[in-house]
Amino acid sequence: GAGVSQSPSNKVTEKGKDVELRCDPISGHTALYWYRQSLGQGLEFLIYFQGNSAPDKSGLPSDRFSAERTGGSVSTLTIQRTQQEDSAVYLCASSPTGQGHADTQYFGPGTRLTVL
Amino acid sequence: AQKVTQAQTEISVVEKEDVTLDCVYETRDTTYYLFWYKQPPSGELVFLIRRNSFDEQNEISGRYSWNFQKSTSSFNFTITASQVVDSAVYFCALGPLRGGSEKLVFGKGTKLTVNP
Repeated sequence: GAGVSQSPSNKVTEKGKDVELRCDPISGHTALYWYRQSLGQGLEFLIYFQGNSAPDKSGLPSDRFSAERTGGSVSTLTIQRTQQEDSAVYLCASSPTGQGHADTQYFGPGTRLTVL
Repeated sequence: AQKVTQAQTEISVVEKEDVTLDCVYETRDTTYYLFWYKQPPSGELVFLIRRNSFDEQNEISGRYSWNFQKSTSSFNFTITASQVVDSAVYFCALGPLRGGSEKLVFGKGTKLTVNP
């Protein structure tokens, strides 16, 4: 079946511009996660959705970052006024339930963001 | 706080050698899950295994085996008779088994290169 998909696969933008990254989770998965992977670093948690609500936003690095999820499916991560330190690979994952325990998360291919 | 340490940044072996990737974790939780993911050069994280803290039995799957030792907070991963296709970055991760945030805490990864 179809896995997690993300678009665009690559995004180059100029400092100060806003960007939107999209994630389509595996059909039927209620939980959705965003992570960030910077060069040479591990994965840094950003935000977690259960359905359309976000019980854990603790990883969002600043108020320039926001995310939403609609219809319990597609999610959009928005970065406003991008900075060079935002350059990273943004990974989305989904899991079947994610309720109260670490369900197995299945990852998409990521969006490579480069801020010039 | 939860933490995962993968002390080996890079490992290089020759094909058919056995190789062990180390993972040490810290958590105050008495119950938790541990994961291994593989990230090949294509970039997409591939789920390999999930173990819960109740089950310390070692697991073998083909050329892969995992040694979970709660006493030393370690969850090491061994590849037997390595192949070039095993070349990837391998991540160990920790997550809650009961309650708490569903996010995974990742180590920084170990880059494995298998040379022909």
